Amino acid sequence: GESVGLHLPTLSVQEGDNSIINCAYSNSASDYFIWYKQESGKGPQFIIDIRSNMDKRQGQRVTVLLNKTVKHLSLQIAATQPGDSAVYFCAENGSGNTGKLIFGQGTTLQVKP
Amino acid sequence: NAGVTQTPKFQVLKTGQSMTLQCAQDMNHEYMSWYRQDPGMGLRLIHYSVGAGITDQGEVPNGYNVSRSTTEDFPLRLLSAAPSQTSVYFCASTQGHSGANVLTFGAGSRLTVL
Repeated sequence: GESVGLHLPTLSVQEGDNSIINCAYSNSASDYFIWYKQESGKGPQFIIDIRSNMDKRQGQRVTVLLNKTVKHLSLQIAATQPGDSAVYFCAENGSGNTGKLIFGQGTTLQVKP
Repeated sequence: NAGVTQTPKFQVLKTGQSMTLQCAQDMNHEYMSWYRQDPGMGLRLIHYSVGAGITDQGEVPNGYNVSRSTTEDFPLRLLSAAPSQTSVYFCASTQGHSGANVLTFGAGSRLTVL
């Protein structure tokens, strides 16, 4: 069945270092992927997305890499700040344009001052 | 422009009670959905709707009902609450037409069933 998994439940980094959060997906039909950030007590917030016809997309301090060969997605955060501390979820659209997303279990990013 | 608004933010129920979680969006989005979030399990889709009058089941629909009488509202009903429904519930919406399903989430409703 479809599943999206994250390699590590918790990632601890030093402030100023770069962070890399990984995600594996299993549905080859997925053609759209999103990263969300969820702070404590809040709903998930969109960070960045990527379509399957791309292998890299950059935003402000964030980069998403997509490797379709091994069904792997990663989120890179440059110069990690205390405000980046949150749970990060990857999600895929599975099949079809239905507004549905399949979420991974989440990685907690802890930024040490 | 309030985005996605969920009420209530917190609710405590006894087993067997019924209630409705309200969700409203003011972005004229066609697609709306309900997810539940449990520790270590990410977000799981309960029900979704691709437009007014149309609803469908997600991954974990049992024990929940939905309806979509207007584009703006998508209430989630628990007819007979069970402790297993203790969770945080998120409503989300998206335009969805392009296949780029950037969901906008509400702030969540925390439900405890005793």
